[in-house]
Amino acid sequence: DTAVSQTPKYLVTQMGNDKSIKCEQNLGHDTMYWYKQDSKKFLKIMFSYNNKELIINETVPNRFSPKSPDKAHLNLHINSLELGDSAVYFCASSQRWIGTSDPRGETQYFGPGTRLLVL
Amino acid sequence: GQNIDQPTEMTATEGAIVQINCTYQTSGFNGLFWYQQHAGEAPTFLSYNVLDGLEEKGRFSSFLSRSKGYSYLLLKELQMKDSASYLCAVTGGYQKVTFGTGTKLQVIP
Repeated sequence: DTAVSQTPKYLVTQMGNDKSIKCEQNLGHDTMYWYKQDSKKFLKIMFSYNNKELIINETVPNRFSPKSPDKAHLNLHINSLELGDSAVYFCASSQRWIGTSDPRGETQYFGPGTRLLVL
Repeated sequence: GQNIDQPTEMTATEGAIVQINCTYQTSGFNGLFWYQQHAGEAPTFLSYNVLDGLEEKGRFSSFLSRSKGYSYLLLKELQMKDSASYLCAVTGGYQKVTFGTGTKLQVIP
């Protein structure tokens, strides 16, 4: 009964390939996020969806495209992978979007991460 | 813009008390969160502050001063398992949620 799950956990691929990472949450949360954590451990938000609607789209290359088929799923597709894409990608969810009445709803629950290595 | 500063690394002794500071400059503020991240694992929620003052939760306490853009996480009775990175995050403002670079805490015997 994992709260936030991601697949795959490890992904090793060649430069130029296209790959997808899947995320699912069973917490009934409204908001989901994708983060990239680089080798220096800096956690940077990439995308956020609230009720399947894109809310945050940070400055990431167009090669990254999120997709939310429903509130419980947020997938990340990456085209033409580059060496610099190697990182750990975390999916997260929160009960509510930022700025709603109860700040506790902004608490984020993270998936286990996907370790992507581009060769 | 959004800017959050934390010390990069700290070392403390088992059984002691350690304070991890976080200063922030953001375009808006809803709340300040602390997360713990063990090596190779995902961040997990520790505490949050919305109003000024101290929030206590067992061995962990977190303090906030909104006027100073300052928070700290206080860990008491340190245990070896507390060795981890501690991430400060601020919600609100244009980017909505911003994480600091994290403080890697090493607890030594």
